[in-house]
Amino acid sequence: DGGITQSPKYLFRKEGQNVTLSCEQNLNHDAMYWYRQDPGQGLRLIYYSQIVNDFQKGDIAEGYSVSREKKESFPLTVTSAQKNPTAFYLCASSMIPGGYQPQHFGDGTRLSIL
Amino acid sequence: ELKVEQNPLFLSMQEGKNYTIYCNYSTTSDRLYWYRQDPGKSLESLFVLLSNGAVKQEGRLMASLDTKARLSTLHITAAVHDLSATYFCAVDSYGNAGGTSYGKLTFGQGTILTVHP
Repeated sequence: DGGITQSPKYLFRKEGQNVTLSCEQNLNHDAMYWYRQDPGQGLRLIYYSQIVNDFQKGDIAEGYSVSREKKESFPLTVTSAQKNPTAFYLCASSMIPGGYQPQHFGDGTRLSIL
Repeated sequence: ELKVEQNPLFLSMQEGKNYTIYCNYSTTSDRLYWYRQDPGKSLESLFVLLSNGAVKQEGRLMASLDTKARLSTLHITAAVHDLSATYFCAVDSYGNAGGTSYGKLTFGQGTILTVHP
């Protein structure tokens, strides 16, 4: 079955540590996105990528970094510069950026501070 | 900057009743999406609304879009417990920059719907 796989499901970060969240899709989608969701709030866009080797900052990119070396993969690194990383992180993809299809979401990674 | 506001943020309904969730947005767009999220889960796409006057229906849910008023509604008919979830609207900022198209979703805060027997 085609879909988006995020791992791990739960992740704990120590102070000063960088952690990387994985996002893989086998939908052959061009565009991929990372969102952050805080309790009781909507999703906020962190980074997005329209094509391989290209990505743009979203609304809350500070303290995060991404790469897009393969079409299928869009990992997100939460750096030590992100002082409040505890949140639910969702990865999404869409066939064509700005196209008419809805974004498809993975099951998310819940990140907490130790 | 695009802003998307939903109301109400909390909705407690009795089974069998009808209600409407509203989604207002601040800048021009003709692409609006409704998603459902169950607690601790991912987002599930419900409706894609792509033009002024668009209306989509699935079961007890009906969504509409008025681009002139910058308003979308999600109407619930004869609510049942299985509809309990958080509902988000999201507006697409799209366009072209340097020949590459882009699409960015701005989400509303979400409406937590609880349907009671």
